[in-house]
Amino acid sequence: EPEVTQTPSHQVTQMGQEVILRCVPISNHLYFYWYRQILGQKVEFLVSFYNNEISEKSEIFDDQFSVERPDGSNFTLKIRSTKLEDSAMYFCASSDAVAGTDTQYFGPGTRLTVL
Amino acid sequence: AQTVTQSQPEMSVQEAETVTLSCTYDTSESDYYLFWYKQPPSRQMILVIRQEAYKQQNATENRFSVNFQKAAKSFSLKISDSQLGDAAMYFCAYKGMEYGNKLVFGAGTILRVKS
Repeated sequence: EPEVTQTPSHQVTQMGQEVILRCVPISNHLYFYWYRQILGQKVEFLVSFYNNEISEKSEIFDDQFSVERPDGSNFTLKIRSTKLEDSAMYFCASSDAVAGTDTQYFGPGTRLTVL
Repeated sequence: AQTVTQSQPEMSVQEAETVTLSCTYDTSESDYYLFWYKQPPSRQMILVIRQEAYKQQNATENRFSVNFQKAAKSFSLKISDSQLGDAAMYFCAYKGMEYGNKLVFGAGTILRVKS
């Protein structure tokens, strides 16, 4: 069964450093998403991406965040200058909007720890 | 803005018994999707079941079923014949049709299964 994959599973970084979180969505999906979950809190939407551009973003997704689809398979989330409060689990998800299937399938997540 | 409320922070069930997890939501839209996701200790988000608002019939997936009450804006999850592997955090999520593709999550309910 196709699945969303994410790398790395755990990233440790120093405050102020840049990190790139990588995702490979399900191959025939067209909508891509990033969510985050701070430990013990609810899952929060960050951004959605369609047709090589951001379709929606939340207030959390400020100028220090960016997303990119550098090739036909990868979807990345970059945090330019990490802060302690960026420590969270980051989930990538994808959905096949064309087929009318609005279910988002999630990857296993990347645990980001900012020291 | 749409909101999702899960009023039970934690629930317990005896193995082989039935448990119901509650979820209510607030929206002005008439067409939308509702989901239950399971998050085991690995923290991966696993789709359990989904319900389209235009369908009156309650969704069922093996031991999992929902009680969807559109007028009451209620969407509860029933787990029958509970198994130890059902122990996890369960999130209720809403996706509207008019305001983008993002999922709005509830705070989650921790389900403990006793042997």
